[in-house]
Amino acid sequence: NAGVTQTPKFRILKIGQSMTLQCTQDMNHNYMYWYRQDPGMGLKLIYYSVGAGITDKGEVPNGYNVSRSTTEDFPLRLELAAPSQTSVYFCASTLAGGSYEQYFGPGTRLTVT
Amino acid sequence: ELKVEQNPLFLSMQEGKNYTIYCNYSTTSDRLYWYRQDPGKSLESLFVLLSNGAVKQEGRLMASLDTKARLSTLHITAAVHDLSATYFCAVDPGTGTASKLTFGTGTRLQVTL
Repeated sequence: NAGVTQTPKFRILKIGQSMTLQCTQDMNHNYMYWYRQDPGMGLKLIYYSVGAGITDKGEVPNGYNVSRSTTEDFPLRLELAAPSQTSVYFCASTLAGGSYEQYFGPGTRLTVT
Repeated sequence: ELKVEQNPLFLSMQEGKNYTIYCNYSTTSDRLYWYRQDPGKSLESLFVLLSNGAVKQEGRLMASLDTKARLSTLHITAAVHDLSATYFCAVDPGTGTASKLTFGTGTRLQVTL
């Protein structure tokens, strides 16, 4: 099992550009999450999904969109990038009904200039 | 709104010493998780605590949960340099259909010789 994988690892965007951060898990987990981590801080939930076709907002959803067309994939879309979106983005997944322990991907470091 | 507070935020300790990191949270929950993060890396799951009085131990680390006091502790015994990292607690209030975590700000642990 590769676990949770994310691409790209690093990206620099100009203000106003858009991009999609990819996240894939091969553990057949039904719940998936996107977090952002600002320097020296904990993680904040952006969006989450409890299954294919079902997504919902977390604590900091503004400026982002998600979709979940398959169990495995949960891409995060940034529209009109702003400097405030400079952060490290982590995708995570878990299996409902168990301990709900979340497994994290390696992260994408995004800089918006 | 669930708030999770960790203290201390920064801890410098000598090898061989003992210390405790505290995690307080503001609402009822019996699901608490501890993660470790090395600089520039992702989050690694350390402990899953799912009931009042739960205690888990792994090597020099021991975590406990007191749901009545809304407090979890991470105790470090005879610290070694390899334990240097940032430690996060995360709480799942268990409401709604997904396991949404709220993270503490983290405790940066530095173990010196």
